[in-house]
Amino acid sequence: KQEVTQIPAALSVPEGENLVLNCSFTDSAIYNLQWFRQDPGKGLTSLLLIQSSQREQTSGRLNASLDKSSGRSTLYIAASQPGDSATYLCAVLHAGGTSYGKLTFGQGTILTVHP
Amino acid sequence: DAGVIQSPRHEVTEMGQEVTLRCKPISGHDYLFWYRQTMMRGLELLIYFNNNVPIDDSGMPEDRFSAKMPNASFSTLKIQPSEPRDSAVYFCASSRHIQGNQPQHFGDGTRLSIL
Repeated sequence: KQEVTQIPAALSVPEGENLVLNCSFTDSAIYNLQWFRQDPGKGLTSLLLIQSSQREQTSGRLNASLDKSSGRSTLYIAASQPGDSATYLCAVLHAGGTSYGKLTFGQGTILTVHP
Repeated sequence: DAGVIQSPRHEVTEMGQEVTLRCKPISGHDYLFWYRQTMMRGLELLIYFNNNVPIDDSGMPEDRFSAKMPNASFSTLKIQPSEPRDSAVYFCASSRHIQGNQPQHFGDGTRLSIL
């Protein structure tokens, strides 16, 4: 059974810092890995999607990497801002077996960026 | 382009009552997903549809839960009878397809409280 783990569970940083969120997964049979952002009382917003054949994706101040063989992904946020405060979730899309087509989510990292 | 629309946003009802959650996916998306989010278990996939047909309902907790998709623009998740342990945030998501580079787009969720 696929397990997705995110470290740390919570992170508090001053504005302007660069930071790294970590995600690991146990089954490498995936189509892609996605990073989402969730604001309180809101749904999930897709930030970055890395296909299984790719190593990284970038969008603005965000960079996500994927090492499928070791079951790891990182989300790098440059020059953090208070508006980045949210819960960040990673999820893997299963490529086969009984979990085909399913997203398995980590428990999330709660990020607080203070001015 | 309108996103995934869920209704109601909040629902408070008494144990034993029937609850119906509604979802309108993004037009042109062939896949629709229902998730449940709780503090204890995080985000869990309940069921997903492809072209209005249920593909995998292995995440549906028990017979009290049922989901339908009568057409490409509407889906319901019904709980009958409801119990306090069903209290959670229920999300609907849609995507063009499962494989490759298509992210899932989430609605804002329905916050359900069963008293």
